[in-house]
Amino acid sequence: RKEVEQDPGPFNVPEGATVAFNCTYSNSASQSFFWYRQDCRKEPKLLMSVYSSGNEDGRFTAQLNRASQYISLLIRDSKLSDSATYLCVVKGNRDDKIIFGKGTRLHILP
Amino acid sequence: EPEVTQTPSHQVTQMGQEVILRCVPISNHLYFYWYRQILGQKVEFLVSFYNNEISEKSEIFDDQFSVERPDGSNFTLKIRSTKLEDSAMYFCARGDRDSNQPQHFGDGTRLSIL
Repeated sequence: RKEVEQDPGPFNVPEGATVAFNCTYSNSASQSFFWYRQDCRKEPKLLMSVYSSGNEDGRFTAQLNRASQYISLLIRDSKLSDSATYLCVVKGNRDDKIIFGKGTRLHILP
Repeated sequence: EPEVTQTPSHQVTQMGQEVILRCVPISNHLYFYWYRQILGQKVEFLVSFYNNEISEKSEIFDDQFSVERPDGSNFTLKIRSTKLEDSAMYFCARGDRDSNQPQHFGDGTRLSIL
C-alpha cells in the first residue's frame, strides 16, 4: 500500500459545483495532515491543515477519520481559480519529513 | 510573497557537472527542508536540516547530495556529478519547531540536466 494515496483524476467539474477529494494513508502513527494545492510548474501552497474534529475555511471543508486512515477535502461553489492539483500531505510525530500524495487534478469548467 | 526565496529559478547544466541550489529564508527560521519533484510525479522528501545539521534524509539523498548553511543565511543543496535523472523541480521549505505546523515552500528551482 502506498504511503499516501489519492485518486489522480482529472476531475472535470462545472463552475459552481461541489467537488470532493479523498486520500488514504498507510502509517497509523501519522499525526499531522494537510491539504496543499499546486498550480502547474509552481510550488505547493498550503490550503489548510486538517484537524481531528474537521475544519472549515470558507468554501473548503476538511475531514479526518483516523480509524479508517482517511482524509477528505470538500470544495463548495467551485470557481475557475480552483483549477489546480490538490495534494494530500501526511506527517509523522517524530519524523521531520512530510509525505505527499501524487495529487488529484481538478479542472473547473466554465 | 514566498516565505523562502530560491535561486536560480532555472538551472541548465551538462551531465557530470556540479550544481548548487540556494534557498534564502525571509525570516529567521531554524528548520529547513529540500524536496524534489520529477515532472509528472509526486513531491519527494530529500533532507531536513536543523540547527546547522542534517536531522533526517531519504534514500534519494545519497553521497551525490550535500546541504549546508555556510553563512547562517543561505541554505544550499549541492548536487555533484549530475545525472540526467536529476532533472526535476527542487523545492526548499521552512518549518517550525512544532511538528504539527505545516511547511511553507519556496517557488522552486527547475534543474535541467543535458
